[in-house]
Amino acid sequence: GENVEQHPSTLSVQEGDSAVIKCTYSDSASNYFPWYKQELGKGPQLIIDIRSNVGEKKDQRIAVTLNKTAKHFSLHITETQPEDSAVYFCAAGPIGLGYSTLTFGKGTMLLVSP
Amino acid sequence: NAGVTQTPKFQVLKTGQSMTLQCAQDMNHNSMYWYRQDPGMGLRLIYYSASEGTTDKGEVPNGYNVSRLNKREFSLRLESAAPSQTSVYFCASRGQVSSYEQYFGPGTRLTVT
Repeated sequence: GENVEQHPSTLSVQEGDSAVIKCTYSDSASNYFPWYKQELGKGPQLIIDIRSNVGEKKDQRIAVTLNKTAKHFSLHITETQPEDSAVYFCAAGPIGLGYSTLTFGKGTMLLVSP
Repeated sequence: NAGVTQTPKFQVLKTGQSMTLQCAQDMNHNSMYWYRQDPGMGLRLIYYSASEGTTDKGEVPNGYNVSRLNKREFSLRLESAAPSQTSVYFCASRGQVSSYEQYFGPGTRLTVT
């Protein structure tokens, strides 16, 4: 099955700095890579996703890059703000005509200090 | 639209007791999932239901059973709770085949003593 590794487990930055979280996956069949943000006491919420036919996707201050050859993808947050403090999860899975499930990384706790 | 709702929010059980965690979604989604979240372990899939009437095992199904009661509801049952099942449980749902986003509920924090 799929195995997703996520690093680092914790990341502390100053407000205004950039933050990068990296994930690797093992299954070549995976072609969908979402990122979820989980605030304290809440369920995870999708913030951005990318499919394997795209190398990069951006949405305001967040961007995701994908390297299919190396089987790794990254989340980039620019101009971090205290409200970006949360746990971030990457995930990977195959999508297509049939049904599929996602495998999640173990999460990164991002702390943004004012 | 309430999205995905879970009950209860908190529960304390003694070893050997049984209980059912309830999940409901009002988005007319086909697929539903149960995950557990443990410190440092991320989200691990327990069971899922691709559509009404079907259920399948995920990564960590031992000690659990599920029921897809109808399209809206997907319950998770612990028949004989063990301390190793102390965790936060999340239910999620996903829409049509072309939409891959999973919507998560607020979670149930379960402690087994």
